[in-house]
Amino acid sequence: EVKLVESGGGLIQPGGSLRLSCAASGFTVSSNYMSWVRQAPGKGLEWVSVIYSGGSTYYADSVKGRFTISRDNSKKTLYLQMNSLRAEDTAVYYCARDGVEGITGPGYYFDYWGQGTLVTVSS
Amino acid sequence: QSALTQPPSVSGSPGQSVTISCTGTSSDVGSYNRVSWYQQPPGTAPKLMIYEVTNRPSGVPDRFSGSKSGNTASLTISGLQAEDEADYYCSSYTSSSLYVFGTGTKVTVL
Repeated sequence: EVKLVESGGGLIQPGGSLRLSCAASGFTVSSNYMSWVRQAPGKGLEWVSVIYSGGSTYYADSVKGRFTISRDNSKKTLYLQMNSLRAEDTAVYYCARDGVEGITGPGYYFDYWGQGTLVTVSS
Repeated sequence: QSALTQPPSVSGSPGQSVTISCTGTSSDVGSYNRVSWYQQPPGTAPKLMIYEVTNRPSGVPDRFSGSKSGNTASLTISGLQAEDEADYYCSSYTSSSLYVFGTGTKVTVL
């Protein structure tokens, strides 16, 4: 059974840093395209970042230069390092798996999602 | 990259059909068959309902169907049921920033 469990959220002051984790089970993280998607309170979904099976990484303009996506294949865990946090980064952060596995390219849709972890940036 | 445009809300009585539109541009919806739809009941994570415009994942009722014409994709729910009440989001590949979501539509079952 595929399962994604996020952790690491919490209350952080503006300018601070936080690292989110997403523990995966039931599939091989390194063979899949994995993303972070966030949802501000009462707002819509916003794609944040993706790491390809080959290791390439991409970011939304709103977080580029501040956030870093990575993975630990041995721990089957996806990470999101968030630096220079701003009030507008306040959101529930979901990790999500792309529906296509392998190296031919992502399917650009998400077939499994975690339950999310809340990040609140406030003084 | 601006969000894809969806109506804020649609409603229907049980048994009726409702359609949610998702309007993008030639840089996303109009040029790629990479449109997906997600259902999100309050307080829960999104769930994949449609991928690649028309495909339904295993376990999704065939009451849900997707289509596309030009720069606009659509999700139709036929035979509306109380359990279909939720927020719905479309998403597409975009040449400018890889992924873009729609603004979201609240479906209310009257």
